Amino acid sequence: GAVVSQHPSRVICKSGTSVKIECRSLDFQATTMFWYRQFPKQSLMLMATSNEGSKATYEQGVEKDKFLINHASLTLSTLTVTSAHPEDSSFYICSASSPGRDEQFFGPGTRLTVL
Amino acid sequence: AQSVSQHNHHVILSEAASLELGCNYSYGGTVNLFWYVQYPGQHLQLLLKYFSGDPLVKGIKGFEAEFIKSKFSFNLRKPSVQWSDTAEYFCAVNAGGSPGGGADGLTFGKGTHLIIQP
Repeated sequence: GAVVSQHPSRVICKSGTSVKIECRSLDFQATTMFWYRQFPKQSLMLMATSNEGSKATYEQGVEKDKFLINHASLTLSTLTVTSAHPEDSSFYICSASSPGRDEQFFGPGTRLTVL
Repeated sequence: AQSVSQHNHHVILSEAASLELGCNYSYGGTVNLFWYVQYPGQHLQLLLKYFSGDPLVKGIKGFEAEFIKSKFSFNLRKPSVQWSDTAEYFCAVNAGGSPGGGADGLTFGKGTHLIIQP
């Protein structure tokens, strides 16, 4: 199967700082990448969909100015949490797909803790 | 808007017992249906999927699921569970008819934590 990586796996930051999370497709070209957020003991919630070379499409209730998504290449998408606050602490998971694929491939997730 | 409901949040079974995890969805159109598994410390892996055709689908590791359109259900089953099946199980849907099931974001249920006792 296809492999998706995320970096870092864990990050701790101070309130008010920005944090960048990378999502890479290692062995295929991902034209579409998705970002999800998972709160403890809850489901994954889709935050946004990004298509390579286009602006991301955000789900209702997700602040696009706070969660900046860049998908500049077919193997890399980044999520930047700007001016992070403790309520942004969560598990962020990306997935990737490409045309004709009938499933998404998930990364291992990034645990963000904002102090 | 789509929604997914998983009825059992925690399930504890003994090895060799039969398993059925419930999943119901709400959506006004055609859907693609998925079951994912997340083993401790690992990423989500696809168990099986349904797009169209035979409503009984077989996946990896002996799992199967049945799509019942009239009940908006997609329950996961395994006739005899093993200790290694201990994991978190997620039911998910996205809009059907899209060019490949991977084209649209997924709506997930809250998950079922399955514990298999030796």
